[in-house]
Amino acid sequence: EAGVAQSPRYKIIEKRQSVAFWCNPISGHATLYWYQQILGQGPKLLIQFQNNGVVDDSQLPKDRFSAERLKGVDSTLKIQPAKLEDSAVYLCASSLPRQGVGETQYFGPGTRLLVL
Amino acid sequence: RKEVEQDPGPFNVPEGATVAFNCTYSNSASQSFFWYRQDCRKEPKLLMSVYSSGNEDGRFTAQLNRASQYISLLIRDSKLSDSATYLCVVNNQTGTASKLTFGTGTRLQVTL
Repeated sequence: EAGVAQSPRYKIIEKRQSVAFWCNPISGHATLYWYQQILGQGPKLLIQFQNNGVVDDSQLPKDRFSAERLKGVDSTLKIQPAKLEDSAVYLCASSLPRQGVGETQYFGPGTRLLVL
Repeated sequence: RKEVEQDPGPFNVPEGATVAFNCTYSNSASQSFFWYRQDCRKEPKLLMSVYSSGNEDGRFTAQLNRASQYISLLIRDSKLSDSATYLCVVNNQTGTASKLTFGTGTRLQVTL
């Protein structure tokens, strides 16, 4: 079974530029997550989709970050404009939603962003 | 107080040693708990779920103490390949939507 795909794997940009990341979840997984992982920290949830609807975006800095999952499959995460503190690994994960027990989330390899 | 707290380590142990990691969480209503493993420059992967009754998977034993809001992971007979960061993860579920909160991770280095 193919895993979660992400691209690009690496991106270097200058501050104030824009950048977009793409994620293709595991086939059939209705729930998709974007996380930000800063060096030395655990992943922090930015946004969660169930199909094409947003479930939780409470930790998404909406003045500069946006995400969409228009057809309920692929998703893009955009940063515009980027700041130095956005340097991190952006992880996409997907799961099958299950009532009550907390489903396993499968992570993609991540996109490593460096903002100069 | 952080939602999930772990000692970042690093824990440096020789091969064959037993090592234990602890984690505390702040939300008493949290429903489920996990340990994820993250290798250097790789994505996190589920290691095991954590149940109140305790569960074991080979050399790994996980324990949950709801009263103390405390989770543990014990690794017996450590191998070089166990070197990684171990992330304590707490799930707060609403319906079918789970929200995982990750700890900072505890780094383990197993040496010869």
